[in-house]
Formats: sequence, C-alpha cells, structure tokens
Amino acid sequence: GESVGLHLPTLSVQEGDNSIINCAYSNSASDYFIWYKQESGKGPQFIIDIRSNMDKRQGQRVTVLLNKTVKHLSLQIAATQPGDSAVYFCAEGIQGAQKLVFGQGTRLTINP
Amino acid sequence: GAVVSQHPSWVICKSGTSVKIECRSLDFQATTMFWYRQFPKQSLMLMATSNEGSKATYEQGVEKDKFLINHASLTLSTLTVTSAHPEDSSFYICSASPIYEQYFGPGTRLTVT
Repeated sequence: GESVGLHLPTLSVQEGDNSIINCAYSNSASDYFIWYKQESGKGPQFIIDIRSNMDKRQGQRVTVLLNKTVKHLSLQIAATQPGDSAVYFCAEGIQGAQKLVFGQGTRLTINP
Repeated sequence: GAVVSQHPSWVICKSGTSVKIECRSLDFQATTMFWYRQFPKQSLMLMATSNEGSKATYEQGVEKDKFLINHASLTLSTLTVTSAHPEDSSFYICSASPIYEQYFGPGTRLTVT
C-alpha cells in the first residue's frame, strides 16, 4: 500500500504547550491537503485543509503549513488540551478530496 | 450537517460467513462513496470507490469478488465481506462525497473468529 506502517510515530507534549506534527507527502501533483484527527475506535474527523496555492492556513488553535518544495506538511496545535490526544493523519488529494491518500499517522499524547 | 453513519458499529462473525456493512449519508446526497480498511496502528487504506448506479472501482490488491460493494442510491452504499476469514478482521470506514469533500463515517469493527 501507499501508507503502511507497523509502528505509529508518537509525540508527547505537556498540556498547554504547542505541538507540531509533520507529514511528508508523496505526490507532487497533489493539490489539496487535509489533516484529520482520529480517536480510538472512531472515524477520522476533519481538522483543517489547505490548497496548494497557499502555504499557510489558520483555524481555531490549529495552523497548517505547506512546503511544496520539499513536499512537507505540518500541523501546529496551540495550547494543547487533553482532548487533543489522538492519532493525526495527513491526507493528500488531486482535484479536491475525491481520492485521498493518507499518511501513516502520528499519535499525539498530552501529558497533564 | 454532513453526517455519515455506519451500521453495525461492530460485528463478530464466524470464518466462512458473509457480513454486510451499511454506509449512509444522512443529510446530503453522495455521488461518490469510498470504503477504507484500517488495521491496528496503521493508516487508512482505500479499498474502493463507488459511484451511485455504477460498478465500484477497486484499488490494486483488493479482491472485488470478496468485497462486494453496492451503491444503489445517493444515500446508501453497502460493503459485503464474503467468506470472511480471520485476516479480514479490521476496522472498515466509509466516507461519502457530495462533490469535492469527503465526510467519514464512524467505522465498523469486524472480528472474524
């Protein structure tokens, strides 16, 4: 498959700190990128998206940065809260979200 | 808005039997629905894409005769796992797309004993 891993990268941060989750995408033709949050036993939840004609987009407590030169995407979460603990996936698509390819995911743990 | 449901949320079946999973878009019409499979600690892998009224398009390596997909209406798609085996145990997630976005369902946990 395009994104298979036996060991999920993990990131632990203290509650209240900022966290940065990184993602390397594979297809230089991808023009749409999304970050999803997945809690245990649930489906992916949309967080924020960005199109390839932008390099930064901000939402509530979240910022996505896109570097097309190195095919890199990051998600910054400000002032992390316990509820932010989850697995975060980036996904890339061409011409919107009609066919998405998911990255391997990062498990974010917020320590009290 | 943009709610997608799946039924059942979990199912246990015996090896050799078939299981049907339903995916419904509750408040919008989905021209396209997608089925994903997710093994523990792994990412979502697209299995197939289905458009209402036409045959599903399967990703490479996914057996179309084993994973039967029906998209009979703009709000309902079904995935039938035929002759299930323990290696089919996984988390199956659907998504529905009205135009460009994908809205995900809550997933169905399948355990084959």
